[in-house]
Amino acid sequence: EPEVTQTPSHQVTQMGQEVILRCVPISNHLYFYWYRQILGQKVEFLVSFYNNEISEKSEIFDDQFSVERPDGSNFTLKIRSTKLEDSAMYFCASSEAGLGLDEKLFFGSGTQLSVL
Amino acid sequence: LAKTTQPISMDSYEGQEVNITCSHNNIATNDYITWYQQFPSQGPRFIIQGYKTKVTNEVASLFIPADRKSSTLSLPRVSLSDTAVYYCLVDNYGQNFVFGPGTRLSVLP
Repeated sequence: EPEVTQTPSHQVTQMGQEVILRCVPISNHLYFYWYRQILGQKVEFLVSFYNNEISEKSEIFDDQFSVERPDGSNFTLKIRSTKLEDSAMYFCASSEAGLGLDEKLFFGSGTQLSVL
Repeated sequence: LAKTTQPISMDSYEGQEVNITCSHNNIATNDYITWYQQFPSQGPRFIIQGYKTKVTNEVASLFIPADRKSSTLSLPRVSLSDTAVYYCLVDNYGQNFVFGPGTRLSVLP
């Protein structure tokens, strides 16, 4: 079964450093998402991406965050200057078509980001 | 954006049937109802999706009454490995999936 893959599985960084989280969505999917989950809390939407541009973003996704699809397979989330409160599990997801009607999301296993 | 309400937690024993009900009073005509399962340190995993009446797959059944203001996920004969958080989502057409706190199911031996 095709799956969304994320690397690295764990990332430790110092506060103020830049990090890039990487994702390879399912190959025929056209819509890509980033979510995060702080330990013990709910899954929070960050951003959706389609046709090489952001479709929607939450208030969490401020100027410190950016997303990119640098080639035909990767989808990245960059945090420019990490803060302690950015520590969380970050999930990438993809869907075959846009949300609406009967669409469903496929999630990766996540990248655990720890900011020290 | 349709908001969902589910119990925060439920306990069950192995071999029992578990029913988790979700309320979504403001569901729109175009909205589908989707359930996800999440194990610790893993991403949510799609379980089942429906629009109305009953849907069944190899994992679960989903019951949706005619008014569609609620839905019930039914897990037949649960095992210890079904211990997870279960999320009910209502897709507001054109909006992005918003996860609530979900229902934490604990299956006991």
